[in-house]
Amino acid sequence: EDQVTQSPEALRLQEGESSSLNCSYTVSGLRGLFWYRQDPGKGPEFLFTLYSAGEEKEKERLKATLTKKESFLHITAPKPEDSATYLCAVQAGRDDKIIFGKGTRLHILP
Amino acid sequence: NAGVMQNPRHLVRRRGQEARLRCSPVKGHSHVYWYRQLPEEGLKFMVYLQKENIIDESGMPKERFSAEFPKEGPSILRIQQVVRGDSAAYFCASSQHPGQPQHFGDGTRLSIL
Repeated sequence: EDQVTQSPEALRLQEGESSSLNCSYTVSGLRGLFWYRQDPGKGPEFLFTLYSAGEEKEKERLKATLTKKESFLHITAPKPEDSATYLCAVQAGRDDKIIFGKGTRLHILP
Repeated sequence: NAGVMQNPRHLVRRRGQEARLRCSPVKGHSHVYWYRQLPEEGLKFMVYLQKENIIDESGMPKERFSAEFPKEGPSILRIQQVVRGDSAAYFCASSQHPGQPQHFGDGTRLSIL
C-alpha cells in the first residue's frame, strides 16, 4: 500500500537553530513530491515540487531535497514566522493520486 | 489573480440536514480536488473533477456524499443527512493540469450539532 510518513510529528526549535524535517514514502511510480506549509485556520500553501532523486529546490530559509526513498526539508536559521505545519505529498501511480503525510508541526521560539 | 475561493468558511448544521460546500478554482484551472482534514490527521483525498466530469471519486463515501463541477459556476460538495462524524475541515484545490502542484483554498469548517 502506498504510504507517506513524516517525522518528527512536532519540533520545537530556538530561533536560529537549523534542523531538517523528513518525509519518507513507499509508492510505486513516483511522479512528483510536493511540500506545503499550512498555518492554523488556513489551507496548505505550496512551497516546492521535486520530480527526481538528486533534485534540490530552495526558497529563502528552506531547502528541499529528494532521494529515491525520502525527502528532507532543511530549515536554516529559522525565525518565529516559520512556525507552521509542513506537509509532504506524493503523486504516484497510473491514476496520479496524491497522498499526504500527516505533517510536522514546527514551532520556532524567539 | 484570485486564488481558490471556498465558501462558506464555517458551516453549522444539525444532524439530518444537508451541507453544501462551494469552491471556485483559480481562474484558468479546470481540475478540482476535494479533501477532508480531521484534527491531527493528514489531508484525505475525496474526489477529483474536471469540468462536468468526475474523474476519480475513490475517496468519497458511497452514500450521502456527491460532488459536481458544472460548466458554469463553482464546484459543489454536497453532504446529505449529515451525521456528527462528518464534522471536519473540507478543502478544495485546483490545478491547471493533473501533474502540476495543486493550489488550495482556506477550507470550510463543518460542524454538526
